[in-house]
Amino acid sequence: KTQVEQSPQSLVVRQGENCVLQCNYSVTPDNHLRWFKQDTGKGLVSLTVLVHENDKTSNGRYSATLDKDAKHSTLHITATLLDDTATYICVVGDRGSALGRLHFGAGTQLIVIP
Amino acid sequence: EAAVTQSPRNKVAVTGGKVTLSCNQTNNHNNMYWYRQDTGHGLRLIHYSYGAGSTEKGDIPDGYKASRPSQENFSLILELATPSQTSVYFCASGVPGEISNERLFFGHGTKLSVL
Repeated sequence: KTQVEQSPQSLVVRQGENCVLQCNYSVTPDNHLRWFKQDTGKGLVSLTVLVHENDKTSNGRYSATLDKDAKHSTLHITATLLDDTATYICVVGDRGSALGRLHFGAGTQLIVIP
Repeated sequence: EAAVTQSPRNKVAVTGGKVTLSCNQTNNHNNMYWYRQDTGHGLRLIHYSYGAGSTEKGDIPDGYKASRPSQENFSLILELATPSQTSVYFCASGVPGEISNERLFFGHGTKLSVL
C-alpha cells in the first residue's frame, strides 16, 4: 500500500509562474519529511527537511510547510525557472535517525516552459 | 559536496545472468543504501549497510545480494537476473545524526535492462 501520495502527477507551468506541489502520507510515526529534486537521469538532491508540527522552511525560491495533524506537506516554488524542470519527490522518515525507514512518494513531474 | 559514484551507468543483461552494480563513496559515510526506482513508484529499499562488513535487508531484498567490503564500496549483486529486475538503481550514502543535519547523497543511477 502506497504510504506517500503526491499530487499532481505532472504539472506544466510557464517560466515566472508560481506552483504548489502536494504530499499526503499515512506513515506512522512521521518523524520528518524531506523534499528532493531529481533532474532527468540524475540522483536525488535534498531541498529541505521539515521536522516539527506546523514547520515552515524556506530555501531560496523553494518553501515548504508541514501539517503533522493532517499528515500533509506542500512545496511552493516561486518565479519558476526553466532549470526547475525536474521530478520533485516527497519522502517521509519514520525515525529520527538513519536506522529509520524512508518512505518515498512517486514524485511530481514539473515542466517549466518559456 | 559529498560524491557517490555508481558504475556502470547503463547495463544490458540476459535472463539468468549475473549482474554486479558497484557504488563508491569517498566521504567516509557509515551508511549506504541501494534503492530501485520504477515508473509510478517511489524508490524502494533493497539492501543497506551500517559499515564495512555489514549488510541488512531492506523492503524488497528477494533476488538481490549485497556486499560491503570496505567503508567506500557497496555492491548490489543479482545472481540470476530476471526481466522483472529491469529498473533504475540508485545508491546513496549518509551520515546518521540529527535530522536537521543529516543528509543523504545519491548517485546518478544505473539503468539496468534484463532481456
